[in-house]
Amino acid sequence: QKEVEQDPGPLSVPEGAIVSLNCTYSNSAFQYFMWYRQYSRKGPELLMYTYSSGNKEDGRFTAQVDKSSKYISLFIRDSQPSDSATYLCAMTNTNAGKSTFGDGTTLTVKP
Amino acid sequence: EAGVVQSPRYKIIEKKQPVAFWCNPISGHNTLYWYRQNLGQGPELLIRYENEEAVDDSQLPKDRFSAERLKGVDSTLKIQPAELGDSAVYLCASSLDADSGGYTFGSGTRLTVV
Repeated sequence: QKEVEQDPGPLSVPEGAIVSLNCTYSNSAFQYFMWYRQYSRKGPELLMYTYSSGNKEDGRFTAQVDKSSKYISLFIRDSQPSDSATYLCAMTNTNAGKSTFGDGTTLTVKP
Repeated sequence: EAGVVQSPRYKIIEKKQPVAFWCNPISGHNTLYWYRQNLGQGPELLIRYENEEAVDDSQLPKDRFSAERLKGVDSTLKIQPAELGDSAVYLCASSLDADSGGYTFGSGTRLTVV
C-alpha cells in the first residue's frame, strides 16, 4: 500500500463548479502538506502548503488538512478552464527530508 | 528571478546508450532533488543534495545511475547504460532547505529509450 493515496479521477466539471480533490495518507510523520498543479509537459508548480490541521485559503483555492483522519483536500471555487491540469498532493517528512507525492488527479474544466 | 532550469527538454536514445541531464537550481537554494515521474504517476525521489553532499540516494539505482553536484550549485544526473524502463520525465527541484514546505520544480527532461 502506498503512503499517499490520491483519488485517481479523471474529473470533468463545467466552468464555475466547485471542485474537491482528495488524498489520504498513512505515515503519521508527515508534517507539511502541499498541493501542486502540473500542466501538460511542465513541472509541478506549488499551489499551497500547510503545516497544521485546519483550513488555508488563497483566492479561489482552499486547502484542508485533517491530521486525525489522515486526510487532506483541495477545494477550487468558481473553477475556470485555466484550472484544467493535473493536481498532485504531496506530504513532507522533515525528519527524512523529502516529499512523497500522490499519483495526481487530472481535472478538466469545460467552458 | 529565473526558476529551476533543466536541459535538455527532450532526449531520445537507444537502449544501452548513456545519457546525462543537467539542472541549475534557484540561486541560494541549498537543497536540490532529482525526481523521476512515470506516465500517470507522481514524482518519486531519486536523490537529495544538501549543498554538494548527497544525503539521501537510497532510491537511486546505483548500478546504472550516478549524480553529482559540484560546488553545491549545478547538478548532473547520468544513466549508463539506459534501459527501456528508464523512459520517464526526470525532474529537478530545489528549496532553501529540506524543512521547507515546498519545492520549485524545473520543467523536466522527457527521456525516451528505444
